[in-house]
Amino acid sequence: GENVEQHPSTLSVQEGDSAVIKCTYSDSASNYFPWYKQELGKGPQLIIDIRSNVGEKKDQRIAVTLNKTAKHFSLHITETQPEDSAVYFCAASIVGNQFYFGTGTSLTVIP
Amino acid sequence: NAGVTQTPKFRILKIGQSMTLQCTQDMNHNYMYWYRQDPGMGLKLIYYSVGAGITDKGEVPNGYNVSRSTTEDFPLRLELAAPSQTSVYFCASSSRGGRVSDTQYFGPGTRLTVL
Repeated sequence: GENVEQHPSTLSVQEGDSAVIKCTYSDSASNYFPWYKQELGKGPQLIIDIRSNVGEKKDQRIAVTLNKTAKHFSLHITETQPEDSAVYFCAASIVGNQFYFGTGTSLTVIP
Repeated sequence: NAGVTQTPKFRILKIGQSMTLQCTQDMNHNYMYWYRQDPGMGLKLIYYSVGAGITDKGEVPNGYNVSRSTTEDFPLRLELAAPSQTSVYFCASSSRGGRVSDTQYFGPGTRLTVL
């Protein structure tokens, strides 16, 4: 099956700085890559996703980039705020099939 | 819409006891999932269902059972609880009905401890 690796496991940034989280996947057939944010005591919530037919997608301060050749994708958060502090998970799937999740990145934004 | 709801939020079981984790969604989604989340690990798929009456195993199904008698409900059953089943359990749902949409919506989770 698919194997998704995520780095780093923890990340601390100063408020206003950027944060980057990277994931790699093993199955070249994967074509859907969502990112989830999980706040303490809550379930994961989708924040952005990208399909394999595009290389980049932006939504305000959040962007995701995808490199199909290298089989990696990244989450970029600009102008970080304390409320961005959470655990972030990447996932990969073939549309219509199960998700494979990374192990998560605990992001702390220091005011 | 309440989205995906799960009960209970917390539970402590003794080894060998049984329990059912409840999951309900009000979005008329046909796909539903059960995941477990262990510390420092990602979510692992236990079971999933593509519609009422249809269920299938995920990555880690041993020790669990599911049923799907209605579109809304997808309970997860633990028959003989073991310490290895101590985890946080998440239910999720998504809509697929000829129109591709892979967004999964998660419930708030059930924290289960087996002693």
